[in-house]
Amino acid sequence: QVQLVQSGSELKKPGASVKVSCKTSKDTFTRFALNWVRQAPGQGLEWMGWINTNTGRPTYAQGFAGRFVFSLDTSVSTAYLQISSLKAEDTAVYYCARDPAGGTDGFDIWGQGTMVIVSS
Amino acid sequence: QLVLTQSPSASASLGASVKLTCTLNSGHSNYAIAWHQQQPGKGPRYLMRLNSDGSHSKGDGIPDRFSGSSSGPERYLSISSLQSEDEADYYCQTWGTDNWVFGGGTKLTVL
Repeated sequence: QVQLVQSGSELKKPGASVKVSCKTSKDTFTRFALNWVRQAPGQGLEWMGWINTNTGRPTYAQGFAGRFVFSLDTSVSTAYLQISSLKAEDTAVYYCARDPAGGTDGFDIWGQGTMVIVSS
Repeated sequence: QLVLTQSPSASASLGASVKLTCTLNSGHSNYAIAWHQQQPGKGPRYLMRLNSDGSHSKGDGIPDRFSGSSSGPERYLSISSLQSEDEADYYCQTWGTDNWVFGGGTKLTVL
């Protein structure tokens, strides 16, 4: 069964950067849309954007262009979310999630989440 | 602009049934959605895809107690024989071109 395995929790200072990884099995990596979702403490799910695992083209939701960058390393079947110039309000759990249809379906598999805490 | 509306909370007794609602905004009443469950302290889990005609396909291992239905812009998640582990937040999700949207979530309390 396909799984998305994310990197562990991070504690960062304001102004620093963080890179969250999301690894899946090699045989499925280029066949779906890989999405990123943010959940701030006590809040709902917020879609951040997605990356096309075939072309590497990222698409960012409103409010997530600029400091947020999606990337891929197809050699290790891993997607990355990098956040730069961290602010306290970036404190959240970040999930990767798969749309199996490559852009036209809901998210059928979720990573376990990566907690990012930004604090001085 | 795609918008999904959910009631913030719902409650039902252990062993009873409950029906949660997700409403698509005007102009999008024929859209499919997905339902996700998030138990306390855990990540989201995919429950099902629900089409506008009420047909649905559930994720792996989702019990028969969970089902979906549709009426116009309304999408429903029904849970029967409620168990304590069903106490969770439930989110609906839909998608357009290059865009996915979540509803605000419904917190289900099992009494």
